[in-house]
Amino acid sequence: DAGITQSPRHKVTETGTPVTLRCHQTENHRYMYWYRQDPGHGLRLIHYSYGVKDTDKGEVSDGYSVSRSKTEDFLLTLESATSSQTSVYFCAISRGANVLTFGAGSRLTVL
Amino acid sequence: AQTVTQSQPEMSVQEAETVTLSCTYDTSENNYYLFWYKQPPSRQMILVIRQEAYKQQNATENRFSVNFQKAAKSFSLKISDSQLGDTAMYFCAFMKHGSSGAGSYQLTFGKGTKLSVIP
Repeated sequence: DAGITQSPRHKVTETGTPVTLRCHQTENHRYMYWYRQDPGHGLRLIHYSYGVKDTDKGEVSDGYSVSRSKTEDFLLTLESATSSQTSVYFCAISRGANVLTFGAGSRLTVL
Repeated sequence: AQTVTQSQPEMSVQEAETVTLSCTYDTSENNYYLFWYKQPPSRQMILVIRQEAYKQQNATENRFSVNFQKAAKSFSLKISDSQLGDTAMYFCAFMKHGSSGAGSYQLTFGKGTKLSVIP
């Protein structure tokens, strides 16, 4: 979706290193979300934001932190990556009408 | 908390045939939304269809339709005239209805059904 950009799209890192994934939107939407997708689990909510500096935890927030200093950017940080955090990470925005639109995903591999 | 169950991990269908994917959910909410998302090999999550729980009429989008049974908490997806491009993972998802505020618009997903369309 052209309105949502995730970066990086692919990353390989080593256990114990910090990692930051960025979600950028161009549409000034209030609500943004980070999900992770793992085989056999579907998508699970990590954290979400309902405004600048307003964030809250989702179902699987342990080991993750987020920040939102500007409306357009929602950052997901793994302070010390572990192999269990190898996953595909999706950012989403709510465009209203109770529908979420997803970014293209970021594949993270932690060795 | 809400849960969404997709009992069919994998399914296959012949091209041009019809297939139905199952989804059940558990909630104590009365007003909510249900969704089917498609994820092709490109990994992009694509909204297929959306149903509002307070509407009794089943949603349809071209070849895609749902059978929404609120009392049974069932929300199945029917794909008619299956095409090769329908090959994908399909996720059923639930969203509580509520006014804007913290936690609004969160989706709870099922584990997905992998659909293969066979030529």
